[in-house]
Amino acid sequence: ETGVTQSPTHLIKTRGQQVTLRCSSQSGHNTVSWYQQALGQGPQFIFQYYREEENGRGNFPPRFSGLQFPNYSSELNVNALELDDSALYLCASSPGLSGTDTQYFGPGTRLTVL
Amino acid sequence: AQSVTQLGSHVSVSEGALVLLRCNYSSSVPPYLFWYVQYPNQGLQLLLKYTSAATLVKGINGFEAEFKKSETSFHLTKPSAHMSDAAEYFCAVSDAGNTPLVFGKGTRLSVIA
Repeated sequence: ETGVTQSPTHLIKTRGQQVTLRCSSQSGHNTVSWYQQALGQGPQFIFQYYREEENGRGNFPPRFSGLQFPNYSSELNVNALELDDSALYLCASSPGLSGTDTQYFGPGTRLTVL
Repeated sequence: AQSVTQLGSHVSVSEGALVLLRCNYSSSVPPYLFWYVQYPNQGLQLLLKYTSAATLVKGINGFEAEFKKSETSFHLTKPSAHMSDAAEYFCAVSDAGNTPLVFGKGTRLSVIA
């Protein structure tokens, strides 16, 4: 069983640019969730996808968007980057939608916005 | 709305001493509770979870946590700290429905030789 992987590991962008972060879920996991972890804080929920459809969204603006693909990969896109977008971005995959399902986290992508 | 409060942003213990990391939750429905550990420059690893079965939950690496509904608490303990336990620990809550994890701000555990 392969784990959750994310790419790239680190990324530096300038304000106003766009960025795409990628995640590969565990095989057979139909749900992927994305979280933003600012320095010194706990992860905050951005959105969740289930079988390629958005299935819930946190308090993030529309410039944060995502996609999930049939091959268990997914993307987080952020447009018009702001300095406050600098954070560790984590994806987590789980088998389904139950609250008891364990979410398995990837190592994260650290985004720095200058 | 659900929320989690972790008391103490930094806890320091001696090697071999008891580890106690505190977590209190707020939830309008029966919660599911989780403890995750994050080592430097890594993602989150599940230590243990409570899903309405036994109130005392045993996890990996010798950690355990007890769900106390009357105190709305889910404190994490380990009888004897090891140097390798030094990390950031996060308590999280979800409910029975389709909800994401709501995390506390984390507690950084330092272990002193």
